[in-house]
Amino acid sequence: DAMVIQNPRYQVTQFGKPVTLSCSQTLNHNVMYWYQQKSSQAPKLLFHYYDKDFNNEADTPDNFQSRRPNTSFCFLDIRSPGLGDAAMYLCATSRGGATDTQYFGPGTRLTVL
Amino acid sequence: GQNIDQPTEMTATEGAIVQINCTYQTSGFNGLFWYQQHAGEAPTFLSYNVLDGLEEKGRFSSFLSRSKGYSYLLLKELQMKDSASYLCAVMDSNYQLIWGAGTKLIIKP
Repeated sequence: DAMVIQNPRYQVTQFGKPVTLSCSQTLNHNVMYWYQQKSSQAPKLLFHYYDKDFNNEADTPDNFQSRRPNTSFCFLDIRSPGLGDAAMYLCATSRGGATDTQYFGPGTRLTVL
Repeated sequence: GQNIDQPTEMTATEGAIVQINCTYQTSGFNGLFWYQQHAGEAPTFLSYNVLDGLEEKGRFSSFLSRSKGYSYLLLKELQMKDSASYLCAVMDSNYQLIWGAGTKLIIKP
């Protein structure tokens, strides 16, 4: 089945210890998104790629970086996680049409100790 | 600024009907999405409205009035598995999705 896959589903890291979250898709979609979602809040867009064209939201902290080495994979790097970065991180994809639906992976829940 | 408003929480009874409202103020409009999100899981797509009127899809229907900046999601014949958060999101003139914080729907037997 075509899908969006995120690994790991649960990630625990130490305060200040770099962590990388991964996302892969078999939908062959052009656009990939990274969202941060805290409990009972709206998803907050961090980055998106249209193919290899990287778009960084203005209020995304410098602590967050992203890589998309190919169409199928996208990574979120958190260089020095703080307690405030504990959240669910959602990867989504869309075909790339202006109003196309976004399809989400299962998310990675990040805990910072 | 851009804003999406939804009630924080609603309670309904199994078998009943519930309507979840969403009002929006955005810079431009390119459609409105409803997503369902179960606790600890990712959002799943329910519906997309870009023209005024009602779109029906099984037990779920979504309505849009662009002139009023208003949408609702109607859930019929409620089942316990419908307990979830329902997120309203609007695509603005820059084709960015603006998300509401979601409405937590609690279904009671």
